[in-house]
Amino acid sequence: EAGVAQSPRYKIIEKRQSVAFWCNPISGHATLYWYQQILGQGPKLLIQFQNNGVVDDSQLPKDRFSAERLKGVDSTLKIQPAKLEDSAVYLCASSLDGGGGLEQFFGPGTRLTVL
Amino acid sequence: SQQGEEDPQALSIQEGENATMNCSYKTSINNLQWYRQNSGRGLVHLILIRSNEREKHSGRLRVTLDTSKKSSSLLITASRAADTASYFCATDMVGNKLVFGAGTILRVKS
Repeated sequence: EAGVAQSPRYKIIEKRQSVAFWCNPISGHATLYWYQQILGQGPKLLIQFQNNGVVDDSQLPKDRFSAERLKGVDSTLKIQPAKLEDSAVYLCASSLDGGGGLEQFFGPGTRLTVL
Repeated sequence: SQQGEEDPQALSIQEGENATMNCSYKTSINNLQWYRQNSGRGLVHLILIRSNEREKHSGRLRVTLDTSKKSSSLLITASRAADTASYFCATDMVGNKLVFGAGTILRVKS
């Protein structure tokens, strides 16, 4: 079974530039999550999709971050403009659904460095 | 804010020894999950324990949950060098929304 795919794996940008990350979840998984993991911390949920609808985006900095999941499959996360404090690993995860009590499967992450 | 707090922050043991990590949380939960993260494989789910369960086993892993104390522990028995990783507890309060702690860094020396 193919896992969660993410690209790119690494990205270096200057502050105030924009960047986009892509995620392809496990086939058949209805729920998709984006997490931000700052060095030395645990992952923090940014946004949760159920199919192509947003379930929770309460911790997404909406003035600069946006995410979409067209057709309920792939998803993109965008940062515009980036700040130094956005340097982190961005993790995508998926689960069968969002009903609770289910393990989440994580992709390898995208390591973003903002200079 | 992070719901779970792991203790200790870092742990170094010899191969073959047991490793115990603890997690405390603040609010009621539906279930608690443990994940492992290393550079080779990313974040991997280890075990899930529901709020009405007190103990669960999976291979060399043993997890306990005490909802009255709002705490959980992860025991890895007969540790191996390959167990070297960061371990995170994650609490699920509603709708599979996980809140992760800061993690325990485990180093197993061979």
